Amino acid sequence: QSVLTQPPSVSAAPGQKVTISCSGSGSNMGNNYISWYQQLPGAAPKLLIYDNNKRPSGIPDRFSGSKSGTSATLGITGLQTGDEADYYCGTWDSSLSANVFGTGTKVTVL
Amino acid sequence: EVQLVESGGGLVKPGGSLRLSCAASGFAFRSYSMNWVRQAPGKGLEWVSSISGSSSYKFYADSVEGRFTISRDNANNSLYLQMNSLRAEDTAVYYCARAHHSLGEYWGQGTLVTVSS
Repeated sequence: QSVLTQPPSVSAAPGQKVTISCSGSGSNMGNNYISWYQQLPGAAPKLLIYDNNKRPSGIPDRFSGSKSGTSATLGITGLQTGDEADYYCGTWDSSLSANVFGTGTKVTVL
Repeated sequence: EVQLVESGGGLVKPGGSLRLSCAASGFAFRSYSMNWVRQAPGKGLEWVSSISGSSSYKFYADSVEGRFTISRDNANNSLYLQMNSLRAEDTAVYYCARAHHSLGEYWGQGTLVTVSS
């Protein structure tokens, strides 16, 4: 049972922007950095954002992250068909002494 | 190039055991904490276990505590997950991942574990 809540799905037309929310609590998102992962169909997850808003080398700046309090947001601008995937937030939960993931959000490009 | 290659998955009966391996290359393995993450068919990601670079710290999800054991061999750049008392709900693709500023900076391709009679 995930302790981080995400919307099940979001969609938009090519070229548009989508945002994905991730809601947690003080013991996880309130005190720790957030990461975001992209999982293309049939593939392993891939790190998109770390430390709330940093992009690994090779990740385009169309992807952005932010955090405020116990919520975080992933933004994708200039949506492409290749962005159709499942997206997960993740962080450490200090009370559980465990890593936790969000429930996952499916992005559909209309 | 960082590479993580899992192996050891397969079909096992309920109550059985399995040992997963993850062969790492392309980086200083001993310097990084490592994680196991699983994904049941059609479901989301679930963190399973973490181990620090020196094996000093190990953490487990409640769902596997007491049944699974994480370990590593830094001399051979390998990560392991010993899984005992397997249940149907342990059926999943198991990924190993290198931690760095996140649970998973790099991920393997995964190995499928099926628990069924």
